[in-house]
Amino acid sequence: NAGVMQNPRHLVRRRGQEARLRCSPMKGHSHVYWYRQLPEEGLKFMVYLQKENIIDESGMPKERFSAEFPKEGPSILRIQQVVRGDSAAYFCASSPAVGGGDNEQFFGPGTRLTVL
Amino acid sequence: DQQVKQNSPSLSVQEGRISILNCDYTNSMFDYFLWYKKYPAEGPTFLISISSIKDKNEDGRFTVFLNKSAKHLSLHIVPSQPGDSAVYFCAASLFGTDKLIFGTGTRLQVFP
Repeated sequence: NAGVMQNPRHLVRRRGQEARLRCSPMKGHSHVYWYRQLPEEGLKFMVYLQKENIIDESGMPKERFSAEFPKEGPSILRIQQVVRGDSAAYFCASSPAVGGGDNEQFFGPGTRLTVL
Repeated sequence: DQQVKQNSPSLSVQEGRISILNCDYTNSMFDYFLWYKKYPAEGPTFLISISSIKDKNEDGRFTVFLNKSAKHLSLHIVPSQPGDSAVYFCAASLFGTDKLIFGTGTRLQVFP
């Protein structure tokens, strides 16, 4: 049973370019979360999606950032016109479609974005 | 506004001894707490969790204690092993939401 997969693992972009980060959740999981970790900091929640729906995007910057989780295919975190401050590790997590208080999320290995 | 705090950035413990990692939180509406372990260049790995209706949860060498009145939780690892050397993150979730709020992490080093 493959875990959460993210690609690319490393991404280098120049200022002003676009970055696309992909996440395939664990098999059977329909909830996807994106987190960002800046150097020397903890992970910060960005967005929570279910298939074809954004449930909570309270942690997403209002501009340049967008996320989707289509019916088919991986979840995509898209950053337009990247700036140096976007350099960080971006982690995707998934959880099964169950309710209740068990919020265990399984994390992927992350994508390390470097903006030159 | 850091709602989940890990005030010790690092901890060094001898192999075989107990490691105690601490976490404080400010929001009394948090209803679920988790500990994750992270190695360099990898994603966090779930270790153990606790519901706010409990004060202790144990899984093998790992025990989490929750003191709601003090808004404090701790992770005990006993006995500590060199393979436990990693960064440990405390996380919390609010009732009715699924997002996790993480602390800044504590780097644990277990030496022989």
